[in-house]
Amino acid sequence: GQNIDQPTEMTATEGAIVQINCTYQTSGFNGLFWYQQHAGEAPTFLSYNVLDGLEEKGRFSSFLSRSKGYSYLLLKELQMKDSASYLCAVCDLRNKLVFGAGTILRVKS
Amino acid sequence: DTEVTQTPKHLVMGMTNKKSLKCEQHMGHRAMYWYKQKAKKPPELMFVYSYEKLSINESVPSRFSPECPNSSLLNLHLHALQPEDSALYLCASSQEGGGGEGTQYFGPGTRLLVL
Repeated sequence: GQNIDQPTEMTATEGAIVQINCTYQTSGFNGLFWYQQHAGEAPTFLSYNVLDGLEEKGRFSSFLSRSKGYSYLLLKELQMKDSASYLCAVCDLRNKLVFGAGTILRVKS
Repeated sequence: DTEVTQTPKHLVMGMTNKKSLKCEQHMGHRAMYWYKQKAKKPPELMFVYSYEKLSINESVPSRFSPECPNSSLLNLHLHALQPEDSALYLCASSQEGGGGEGTQYFGPGTRLLVL
């Protein structure tokens, strides 16, 4: 089976840095994805990790530790438009994505 | 171009109606997906098509019937739905292959209300 945990909600201030954690237990692992989803819109792809370490993409970075079943998404220089739900998703050996429940991030001024 | 299009954007239907949702992509992707998403919940996989053949059916009730007419199109036929089927229906596509090559790109969704 699969189990993916992430915090339900987080609040951070504009211009700050926020880290959204994700822990997972899966029977097969073929990478971990982060998606951003604004209310009423489709999820948009942010990052992919399959090897341990940090992947950096502009203001967003994602980290993976396979031995710990742990990932985080780091958002720097927060902007109001970053207020959204952030979904952690594990890809299993059938290339099926299993999503966590999502973390609602609220950015305040 | 990472665009997946879906029509209609909104749909209201009665429990005796038959309707279809449509999805299209022109990225040359050979895998296409249907997801259902309820409010404040993550997307739940319904069906996967790989090279136009159904490869995964997540025990979805038969009132939902997928169809893949060609490599660019994916339909979801709806019949005799229940009010609890009201949700956002998302289509996605990806390259065939695992991991990063198989990154799924989502369409904007169809918001369905069953009365």
